[in-house]
Amino acid sequence: DTAVSQTPKYLVTQMGNDKSIKCEQNLGHDTMYWYKQDSKKFLKIMFSYNNKELIINETVPNRFSPKSPDKAHLNLHINSLELGDSAVYFCASSTGLKAFFGQGTRLTVV
Amino acid sequence: AQKITQTQPGMFVQEKEAVTLDCTYDTSDPSYGLFWYKQPSSGEMIFLIYQGSYDQQNATEGRYSLNFQKARKSANLVISASQLGDSAMYFCAMGRVNFGNEKLTFGTGTRLTIIP
Repeated sequence: DTAVSQTPKYLVTQMGNDKSIKCEQNLGHDTMYWYKQDSKKFLKIMFSYNNKELIINETVPNRFSPKSPDKAHLNLHINSLELGDSAVYFCASSTGLKAFFGQGTRLTVV
Repeated sequence: AQKITQTQPGMFVQEKEAVTLDCTYDTSDPSYGLFWYKQPSSGEMIFLIYQGSYDQQNATEGRYSLNFQKARKSANLVISASQLGDSAMYFCAMGRVNFGNEKLTFGTGTRLTIIP
């Protein structure tokens, strides 16, 4: 049983398109996150949600819109994709500080 | 603000030797947690070990131990008896204990290569 699962694992799309990445966790955690890992492997938080409420928004462009329909799901929608959005996006969930990560979604914008 | 520094971009270690991966941190928060994650070439992020700032003893998880020196603000990861499967990127991270507002700040990572 996968604890944190995100789909798709790979996503290749053209500039200007809109795409979504889905994330689900079956750990019963209250907090979910989106992290971005750039080409230099640096990981940085984008958003966190606690019980469906947005808690952290780390100066991410408003083309990125997270949505949490319930506390087990946190989806990421990206409008008007740009070349610089190419990265690996990780979903995670936690209770307290200890976070469990999904397998990542490698987004390539061409 | 929290900051994590990993000064070793890459390390090569002979199989079966012990490995120490360095991590120093900076924070003004009195309560925090320190983590190590492993990222193999397949890309997933695997939790390895956690140390709370008030924990009196160093954390251990199997072959992993965290050498926590609070006064020096260091949280080095020690891997005993390294194996080929330990080859991966290793990230040190810290989080502030702040209910409902937790997030992890990551270091830049160390790429560990185990040589047979």
